[in-house]
Amino acid sequence: NAGVTQTPKFQVLKTGQSMTLQCAQDMNHNSMYWYRQDPGMGLRLIYYSASEGTTDKGEVPNGYNVSRLNKREFSLRLESAAPSQTSVYFCASSEAGGQPQHFGDGTRLSIL
Amino acid sequence: DAKTTQPNSMESNEEEPVHLPCNHSTISGTDYIHWYRQLPSQGPEYVIHGLTSNVNNRMASLAIAEDRKSSTLILHRATLRDAAVYYCILRSNYQLIWGAGTKLIIKP
Repeated sequence: NAGVTQTPKFQVLKTGQSMTLQCAQDMNHNSMYWYRQDPGMGLRLIYYSASEGTTDKGEVPNGYNVSRLNKREFSLRLESAAPSQTSVYFCASSEAGGQPQHFGDGTRLSIL
Repeated sequence: DAKTTQPNSMESNEEEPVHLPCNHSTISGTDYIHWYRQLPSQGPEYVIHGLTSNVNNRMASLAIAEDRKSSTLILHRATLRDAAVYYCILRSNYQLIWGAGTKLIIKP
């Protein structure tokens, strides 16, 4: 029962470095999402992909890019990491937009 | 975007029912009410959702006020494993608008 798999689980970057967070789901879901969660707060949507081949901005897209590589995989890229991007990043998927979302265990990213 | 208001924390005794309130006075007619929970160091987990009518599933019940300006998540018999942060969320199209949630503490 893999569900949603995120890699890596932890990462430390220096300011200005780039990095790609990987996400894969094995539930044949159409929609996928990237969120960030700062301490003591709820999740904020960065980007989502309603279906394979489409991506749209969420609430906080600045500083990020995404790629829906195929139906299973949705990656998040930080081109030039900044300390303000230190956060826990969650990937999620759902059968369709509006349906319950299934989440991965998160990537804990620290930028020094 | 419509927002939700929840108490910061609540305590309950093990094996007793828990009622978690949520206010969403600016909800629109097409917004669904979703509840998720998050255990420490884990990703959120879907609990239940509804639009107008009360809903039940194996995890919980959702009671929605007639005017839809508030709702209550009901855990019928809380266990220690139910200790988590519970989020009441409004869904607008593809986007879930998350608040800070209610930290539920279960006392043995």
